[in-house]
Amino acid sequence: DQQVKQNSPSLSVQEGRISILNCDYTNSMFDYFLWYKKYPAEGPTFLISISSIKDKNEDGRFTVFLNKSAKHLSLHIVPSQPGDSAVYFCAASADDKIIFGKGTRLHILP
Amino acid sequence: NAGVTQTPKFRVLKTGQSMTLLCAQDMNHEYMYWYRQDPGMGLRLIHYSVGEGTTAKGEVPDGYNVSRLKKQNFLLGLESAAPSQTSVYFCASSPGGGPPYEQYFGPGTRLTVT
Repeated sequence: DQQVKQNSPSLSVQEGRISILNCDYTNSMFDYFLWYKKYPAEGPTFLISISSIKDKNEDGRFTVFLNKSAKHLSLHIVPSQPGDSAVYFCAASADDKIIFGKGTRLHILP
Repeated sequence: NAGVTQTPKFRVLKTGQSMTLLCAQDMNHEYMYWYRQDPGMGLRLIHYSVGEGTTAKGEVPDGYNVSRLKKQNFLLGLESAAPSQTSVYFCASSPGGGPPYEQYFGPGTRLTVT
């Protein structure tokens, strides 16, 4: 049973436009949510996180929104750049562990 | 400061062979993790450790063993490799269990079992 779901395996966005990656979760006990970015042949790198008591966190071009009632979070990238092409993993934490979604591959088109 | 390193980077095993994957971190982190990544499956936790001398099972522990004899090292063992263990293995570490739970990942080990 998937506790963290990323229902879009891939997404293509024009350079300069907004990229929106979505994530749903089922466990209301998750207390932190994170986004990781992964390039081919490299390990994932941390991008941004949000506490379950907040609804928005911003870091430069990256903003994460959390809707607890809908158990939904999204990552906005504005403006999208070619270097943003990667796989993005949504993750949620509970106890000592982080549970990852299956990832969304983002393609930034020239 | 190398961060998290993994040895080896690539390995091919025959069914039934054994091997050990080594993870090392130089950030004095308490927590360490082993994940596997398979196509379309995301990252799945195999085992983790919350401190030197401790280990715990994750989501997919069967067929694997781990040891954390030193704080900076976390070893993942396959006693009798199976084709289902063909995967990319990632090690990660984090300062502790408190938020924001950021984990630092190694570059991965690509393992093929034939």
